[in-house]
Amino acid sequence: AQSVTQPDIHITVSEGASLELRCNYSYGATPYLFWYVQSPGQGLQLLLKYFSGDTLVQGIKGFEAEFKRSQSSFNLRKPSVHWSDAAEYFCVISGGGADGLTFGKGTHLIIQP
Amino acid sequence: DTGVSQDPRHKITKRGQNVTFRCDPISEHNRLYWYRQTLGQGPEFLTYFQNEAQLEKSRLLSDRFSAERPKGSFSTLEIQRTEQGDSAMYLCASSLGASSYNEQFFGPGTRLTVL
Repeated sequence: AQSVTQPDIHITVSEGASLELRCNYSYGATPYLFWYVQSPGQGLQLLLKYFSGDTLVQGIKGFEAEFKRSQSSFNLRKPSVHWSDAAEYFCVISGGGADGLTFGKGTHLIIQP
Repeated sequence: DTGVSQDPRHKITKRGQNVTFRCDPISEHNRLYWYRQTLGQGPEFLTYFQNEAQLEKSRLLSDRFSAERPKGSFSTLEIQRTEQGDSAMYLCASSLGASSYNEQFFGPGTRLTVL
């Protein structure tokens, strides 16, 4: 069965500092990988996704993620965070078949002024 | 607004009552998904439709839960004989195409509280 682990429940970052959110997955083959963001009062929004090709993928809002097969990781990064980035971030996996998405438990990002 | 809409946004009910939620996907999106999200957790997949056909159901979807998408447009999720453990946010998403790699667009959710 596929699974996703986000080891950090909460992360606090100063505004303007860089960010890295960790994600590890378990799947027998190369999965579809996604990062979604959930802001208070707003629906889930896709930041970026990966299946094949260049292992560094660019997303919206200045986010990027790097797929590392050897580490079964798909970490999310941003060079400089803004206060509006405070939200819940979910790493998500799909087996590529008919299944729905499998979400991690999320990382709550807090931005310090 | 052409996004995914859900109704109602909030529902409070007493244990044992039946509740029904509605989801209107983005027009022409052929896939429609239902998820459940409890406090402090990520959403969990419940079921999905391709057009009007319900193609998969999670083992989380007990016999008290039923979902329909009668004409391949809007969908309803009914919970019979609600229990306190059913309290959660119920999310609907839609996508275009036949692959789970296609972006799923999520609605704002229906928050259910069972007293």
